[in-house]
Amino acid sequence: GIQVEQSPPDLILQEGANSTLRCNFSDSVNNLQWFHQNPWGQLINLFYIPSGTKQNGRLSATTVATERYSLLYISSSQTTDSGVYFCAVESNRDDKIIFGKGTRLHILP
Amino acid sequence: GAGVSQSPSNKVTEKGKDVELRCDPISGHTALYWYRQRLGQGLEFLIYFQGNSAPDKSGLPSDRFSAERTGESVSTLTIQRTQQEDSAVYLCASSEGPANYGYTFGSGTRLTVV
Repeated sequence: GIQVEQSPPDLILQEGANSTLRCNFSDSVNNLQWFHQNPWGQLINLFYIPSGTKQNGRLSATTVATERYSLLYISSSQTTDSGVYFCAVESNRDDKIIFGKGTRLHILP
Repeated sequence: GAGVSQSPSNKVTEKGKDVELRCDPISGHTALYWYRQRLGQGLEFLIYFQGNSAPDKSGLPSDRFSAERTGESVSTLTIQRTQQEDSAVYLCASSEGPANYGYTFGSGTRLTVV
């Protein structure tokens, strides 16, 4: 099945810093989503982005489907950005949504 | 409802007992997923329902796990003869369709097997 790899696995930053999280996938996808799992475990949908670029406030994401990767950018980090960021893809071959292992982000005050 | 609702939010059970977890998807959402997340781990796919099609059960880890869905509404995940390794958060997600739609997650059920 499709493989999803996220990097880096862990990231510690000072408040105010910018960061880039990467998601590589091994096959063509129907869709791709970025989620933020907060320290209380709740999964929040950030972007539905099978291709192209989207922005929402301090967050933006770009997916280059032909090169099989997506990037999540976080600018001017805040402590509330802490948590785990997951990339999830649905391959063209089946309808299962497969998650990467996540990037654990810790923003220091 | 306004979101995906899961119950109970927490469940502690004795090893060997059966448990049933419930998921109420967003009204009108035809696709429903169950995932498992062990402590500090990523999400592990369990089962996928899409409309009236046969469910994709390829992620169920053993025959102790089963899931049902009534039409395009409530789903229940049943774990028989629970084991300590079943301890995890069980997350349900729903979507309007099988592809090209965003997914909404419930808050999960935290299962602890003692």
